[in-house]
Amino acid sequence: AQKITQTQPGMFVQEKEAVTLDCTYDTSDPSYGLFWYKQPSSGEMIFLIYQGSYDQQNATEGRYSLNFQKARKSANLVISASQLGDSAMYFCAMSAPGNQFYFGTGTSLTVIP
Amino acid sequence: DTEVTQTPKHLVMGMTNKKSLKCEQHMGHRAMYWYKQKAKKPPELMFVYSYEKLSINESVPSRFSPECPNSSLLNLHLHALQPEDSALYLCASSQVGLSNYGYTFGSGTRLTVV
Repeated sequence: AQKITQTQPGMFVQEKEAVTLDCTYDTSDPSYGLFWYKQPSSGEMIFLIYQGSYDQQNATEGRYSLNFQKARKSANLVISASQLGDSAMYFCAMSAPGNQFYFGTGTSLTVIP
Repeated sequence: DTEVTQTPKHLVMGMTNKKSLKCEQHMGHRAMYWYKQKAKKPPELMFVYSYEKLSINESVPSRFSPECPNSSLLNLHLHALQPEDSALYLCASSQVGLSNYGYTFGSGTRLTVV
């Protein structure tokens, strides 16, 4: 069974600073995908970034980058130049064969002006 | 069309009522999902349909009954719910198999059981 752990229930960051949100995972499947989603208070789940288990390079999408360390089974999200609109819940998620898709416990990010 | 549409957005129902949640997508995805999310908690997987067949049931109580009538529609039939079933219910869709295109989510139905 897959397990995804986010050890930071809440994080604060100053506007325009960078912040790293931690995610570790555990799986016995060699083929899997790692995702980060943002969920504002409105409830919608917004896809941010994806990393495949066989990808050699770290994924980047605009201000978002994923620090993928396969041997350590970690997939941390880095948000550069934080904005007030980045305040939200952030979930790490993992896909596995059989259309399994599970979320970590989430990190609440607050951007301070 | 890159949306997953869920209706209704809000639903209040009594414990003896029967209601249904509806989810629709036109992205050609053949895997569809139901999640339940309580406040400040992660979404919990309930059901997965793959090619319109139920492939995952995460030991969900029988008062929740999923249905996938065609490749674009996913329903969740609700009957004799309890107040603790009040939550945000999210629908998602994806390609079948390991997908690197992400899982597209609807905006959810906020359910209150009174």
